[in-house]
Amino acid sequence: EAGVAQSPRYKIIEKRQSVAFWCNPISGHATLYWYQQILGQGPKLLIQFQNNGVVDDSQLPKDRFSAERLKGVDSTLKIQPAKLEDSAVYLCASSLKVILTGEQYFGPGTRLTVT
Amino acid sequence: QQQVKQSPQSLIVQKGGISIINCAYENTAFDYFPWYQQFPGKGPALLIAIRPDVSEKKEGRFTISFNKSAKQFSLHIMDSQPGDSATYFCAARANTGNQFYFGTGTSLTVIP
Repeated sequence: EAGVAQSPRYKIIEKRQSVAFWCNPISGHATLYWYQQILGQGPKLLIQFQNNGVVDDSQLPKDRFSAERLKGVDSTLKIQPAKLEDSAVYLCASSLKVILTGEQYFGPGTRLTVT
Repeated sequence: QQQVKQSPQSLIVQKGGISIINCAYENTAFDYFPWYQQFPGKGPALLIAIRPDVSEKKEGRFTISFNKSAKQFSLHIMDSQPGDSATYFCAARANTGNQFYFGTGTSLTVIP
């Protein structure tokens, strides 16, 4: 079974530029998450999708961050304009919408450096 | 507000020793408590998980102990090996929407 795919793996941009990250979840996983992991910290949820609907985006800085999940499969996360404090690893994860298990599987992440 | 509090921040253990990482939570709506292992440059990977109706779960060298009344849970790594050197995160899932909340992580180093 293929895992969660993310691209690019690394990105360096200047502040005020825009950037987009792509995620392809595990086939059949209805729930998709985007996390921000700042160096030395645990992942922080940015947005959660159930199919193509947003379940939780309470911690998404909506003035600069946006995300979409077209057709309930792939997802993109965009930052525009980027700030220095956005430097982090952006992790995508997916899980089955199953009450009993709930495991989520992470992709390798995209390391963003804003200079 | 940190929903899940994790300690210690770092841990150094001799090979063959026991590694213990602790987590605490307040939200009684949490219904699933996984532990993740993360190596540098990789995403977190599910290691072991427990539900609050069970007090202990063991998988190989890894054991979760869960104290529902104290709202605490811990990861025990028996016979720690250098290959266990990684960052470990506890997490908790809310039963209201499948959201996961992570601890701040513990960097484990196992010395040969």
